[in-house]
Amino acid sequence: DQQVKQNSPSLSVQEGRISILNCDYTNSMFDYFLWYKKYPAEGPTFLISISSIKDKNEDGRFTVFLNKSAKHLSLHIVPSQPGDSAVYFCAATLNNNDMRFGAGTRLTVKP
Amino acid sequence: DTAVSQTPKYLVTQMGNDKSIKCEQNLGHDTMYWYKQDSKKFLKIMFSYNNKELIINETVPNRFSPKSPDKAHLNLHINSLELGDSAVYFCASSQEGRVKKLFFGSGTQLSVL
Repeated sequence: DQQVKQNSPSLSVQEGRISILNCDYTNSMFDYFLWYKKYPAEGPTFLISISSIKDKNEDGRFTVFLNKSAKHLSLHIVPSQPGDSAVYFCAATLNNNDMRFGAGTRLTVKP
Repeated sequence: DTAVSQTPKYLVTQMGNDKSIKCEQNLGHDTMYWYKQDSKKFLKIMFSYNNKELIINETVPNRFSPKSPDKAHLNLHINSLELGDSAVYFCASSQEGRVKKLFFGSGTQLSVL
């Protein structure tokens, strides 16, 4: 029962362009959504989060958009840099606990 | 200074053996976790400990047992290892707050032969 889904296993973009990573969820009770970034042979690291009461949160080159009616969120990276190449995990929490993760999307930014 | 460290990084063992993975965090966090990343790459929570109390256990077989000697450590013991236990296991910690950000260790690749 995967309540958080990332349907694109991979994404490739050119350096300087926008990367858009998508995530869908099924449980309308999720209260926070988070994005984590993972490099090979390392653990995931927190990137950005958004509360379920907001529709946008921005931090530098990273912006997360939340569409509650569609149960969809996306992470925008602009401009994309080669160092952004990693696996990105979408996650969601219930009552700020019980964090559920998607399967991840591998982003490749080409120079 | 690594915030969340787990050892060993790689563990290769035979079916039926008993093994442990150690985890330590120096962030002063209240809660520690074990996650399993399966072959489909999903990260699934196994356990969490808050002030030495187990607060989540996601239908994990009782061959897996977490042991927390203190707030900074949460070790994972696995008895009678099976082929299906092969996966990457991540330790993580978090602090109570408005948003529960997890800080992960670098993972332990367990291979059961």
